[in-house]
Amino acid sequence: KQEVTQIPAALSVPEGENLVLNCSFTDSAIYNLQWFRQDPGKGLTSLLLIQSSQREQTSGRLNASLDKSSGRSTLYIAASQPGDSATYLCAVQGAQKLVFGQGTRLTINP
Amino acid sequence: KAGVTQTPRYLIKTRGQQVTLSCSPISGHRSVSWYQQTPGQGLQFLFEYFSETQRNKGNFPGRFSGRQFSNSRSEMNVSTLELGDSALYLCASSLGDYSYEQYFGPGTRLTVT
Repeated sequence: KQEVTQIPAALSVPEGENLVLNCSFTDSAIYNLQWFRQDPGKGLTSLLLIQSSQREQTSGRLNASLDKSSGRSTLYIAASQPGDSATYLCAVQGAQKLVFGQGTRLTINP
Repeated sequence: KAGVTQTPRYLIKTRGQQVTLSCSPISGHRSVSWYQQTPGQGLQFLFEYFSETQRNKGNFPGRFSGRQFSNSRSEMNVSTLELGDSALYLCASSLGDYSYEQYFGPGTRLTVT
């Protein structure tokens, strides 16, 4: 059974800092890994999708890496801004469904 | 291109009632998945429909059911509502192959009193 863990559960940093969010999964038989952002009470916004054959993806200030063999992914956010405050979720796509971590609640302080 | 839409956005029901939620996928997407999000359990997979057939199912009781229409729109039904069914219900659509990106709707907030 696939299990996804995100560390830390919460993170608070001053504006302008670079930061890393971590995600680990137990079963390497995945199609892809997605990082999502969720604002309070809202749906999920897809940030980055990394296929199982890829090592990383970049979009603007975001960079996500994937090491399938060790079951790890990281989301790097450069030059953080208050608007980046949200919960960040990683999810792995298996043969049937997306399995989500519990998320990291990120607060960027002005 | 329009995103995934869900209706209604908010719903308040009484224990024992039933409810139907609707999801319209992105045009051209043939797969629709449903997830339940609660503070305690996080995001849990309910079921997935592809070309009007249920392709996968999560570990939820039979009170939770769904269907998909020929235009790929999907409905989810919950019968005999319980207090524990209060949650944010999210649907996601994709082209169909598991390697494709999933796009989520804004969700339906269901409150059972």
